[in-house]
Amino acid sequence: GENVEQHPSTLSVQEGDSAVIKCTYSDSASNYFPWYKQELGKRPQLIIDIRSNVGEKKDQRIAVTLNKTAKHFSLHITETQPEDSAVYFCASRGVNTDKLIFGTGTRLQVFP
Amino acid sequence: KAGVTQTPRYLIKTRGQQVTLSCSPISGHRSVSWYQQTPGQGLQFLFEYFSETQRNKGNFPGRFSGRQFSNSRSEMNVSTLELGDSALYLCASSPRGIDEQFFGPGTRLTVL
Repeated sequence: GENVEQHPSTLSVQEGDSAVIKCTYSDSASNYFPWYKQELGKRPQLIIDIRSNVGEKKDQRIAVTLNKTAKHFSLHITETQPEDSAVYFCASRGVNTDKLIFGTGTRLQVFP
Repeated sequence: KAGVTQTPRYLIKTRGQQVTLSCSPISGHRSVSWYQQTPGQGLQFLFEYFSETQRNKGNFPGRFSGRQFSNSRSEMNVSTLELGDSALYLCASSPRGIDEQFFGPGTRLTVL
């Protein structure tokens, strides 16, 4: 079945550094790739998404890149701040299945 | 607009009992999806309802069921509870489908 692998499971960075989280999907027909941020005790919130007809998308300090040939996509956070500390989930949606398959999450800690 | 709401926020049940969780989507959103979140498995898709019809289903046993009402509010039912059903159950609403999902705060279910 469909699967999304996410790495790393934990990531610690110094404030101001960059953070990169990578996901690999199995369904080559996937066409929608969102990223969600979940702070401790809070609900997941969509922070950025990308569709299969786009290779890169930026929104201020966050960006997502998509490599359809390799079937992987990545979240890039620049100039990290302590408030970026959270669990980040990637997901993909297959055209045929039309459901979101989530990665297992990356716990990002930004140290001041 | 008010966000997605879920009731109750916390539930404690014993094995063998059944439970019903409720989700009220954002006004105007017709799609409601349900997810199970556990520390080891991340977010796993249960099912999606659109205009009172189950449009998609994940890989969960038949003990997990749901429904959607004409006002788009949705309920999820779990019968014959097992210890492994302890989890955070999240619902998410969307205007049309799986894209741009807005999550509720979740219901924390503990099965003793």
